[in-house]
Amino acid sequence: EVQLAESGGGLVQPGGSLRLSCAASGFTFSNYAINWVRQAPGKGLEWVSSISSSGNYIYYADSVKGRFTISRDNAKNSLSLQMDSLRAEDTAVYYCARDMALVYTGDGALDIWGQGTMVTVSS
Amino acid sequence: SYVLTQPPSVSVAPGETARITCGGNNIGSKNVHWYQQKPGQAPVLVVYYDNDRPSGIPERFSGSNSGNTATLTVSRVEAGDEADYYCQVWDSGSDRGVFGGGTNLAVL
Repeated sequence: EVQLAESGGGLVQPGGSLRLSCAASGFTFSNYAINWVRQAPGKGLEWVSSISSSGNYIYYADSVKGRFTISRDNAKNSLSLQMDSLRAEDTAVYYCARDMALVYTGDGALDIWGQGTMVTVSS
Repeated sequence: SYVLTQPPSVSVAPGETARITCGGNNIGSKNVHWYQQKPGQAPVLVVYYDNDRPSGIPERFSGSNSGNTATLTVSRVEAGDEADYYCQVWDSGSDRGVFGGGTNLAVL
């Protein structure tokens, strides 16, 4: 079964750091770009970051640029999101999602989503 | 930055047709994707590249995109279609993903 599974969420103080992971299974991970999308409690979806299949192309939302770092290890079928200088407004469920396009252009649809991991930034 | 505008809510009776719009500047030149999200669940892709459907999504779900408006159409609406629906594009000008604010579809 094609799956993505996030982990690493939790409670962190403002200014702190957290590292999220996304484990892939059931497909050739190295062929696909992966995105992070978040959803604050009671709010809509917000695109966070995208990384191409090779890791050569990386993009961030303005709201996280300079604080978050996306990376991937194709040998381990895994994706990470290092989150530093966390703020209360980063509180959200974080989803990793697969870009279905085999040729990365950024505008592929997100066809496979994980179940999400909750990040709470609070003192 | 590129903005997508959706109505907060749409209400229809069972069996009727629901149309959810997604407005954006010249959105017709972009590829639009639509997601369905039910409470407590991850989003599910229902329409991609304007009007294609993933396997397993009923034919009742369709899309169109022209000018400044993309539309998700749900025909013969069922109670199980109640959910939030989000449109999404890639803004190539800024290399950013963009989601609409979401529309809650209520089945009366």
